[in-house]
Amino acid sequence: KAGVTQTPRYLIKTRGQQVTLSCSPISGHRSVSWYQQTPGQGLQFLFEYFSETQRNKGNFPGRFSGRQFSNSRSEMNVSTLELGDSALYLCASSLGGQGNHRYGYTFGSGTRLTVV
Amino acid sequence: GNSVTQMEGPVTLSEEAFLTINCTYTATGYPSLFWYVQYPGEGLQLLLKATKADDKGSNKGFEATYRKETTSFHLEKGSVQVSDSAVYFCAALYNNNDMRFGAGTRLTVKP
Repeated sequence: KAGVTQTPRYLIKTRGQQVTLSCSPISGHRSVSWYQQTPGQGLQFLFEYFSETQRNKGNFPGRFSGRQFSNSRSEMNVSTLELGDSALYLCASSLGGQGNHRYGYTFGSGTRLTVV
Repeated sequence: GNSVTQMEGPVTLSEEAFLTINCTYTATGYPSLFWYVQYPGEGLQLLLKATKADDKGSNKGFEATYRKETTSFHLEKGSVQVSDSAVYFCAALYNNNDMRFGAGTRLTVKP
């Protein structure tokens, strides 16, 4: 079956711009989580969506937002980009329902965002 | 709160050496435990998992045992290869779908 698809793979943006990243989960998975990965901070949790609702949220400013559509595809948006937002953004999908945590997450290959 | 702590790297080994990367987790409920591997320029790939106490996860020669008494899930491999060079992440997924990752350990295997 198809894996988790993230688009685009690479992106270069200018400070102050906004950006939208997309994630298509594995078919049947209803939960999508987003992570930011940087060399200095490691993997940091942004938010998780389940059945179109934000279920968990990390400690990021309001410039970072997301949403999930009825087909479970998710987008995340970063407004007013800063140089420090340069990172690899990873999306992970999972079944997400109660008791399904033991099945874990499947990750996409990520979107490499560079802010100049 | 929930957290995962893993051995800091980097770790450099010669080919065929024994590998151990330590990982401990906070014992809130009964999380499922995972090891993920990340190769350069790629996302995280699931290496192995264990979902309850005393379970042993294994894959590609790597093993880890879910130790509830010591809240640990150490990764081991008897004989590493150059192709095992990557960053390894320990993770715990708690009941509320809260997935916590360790900081990652970079492994370099030299021929």
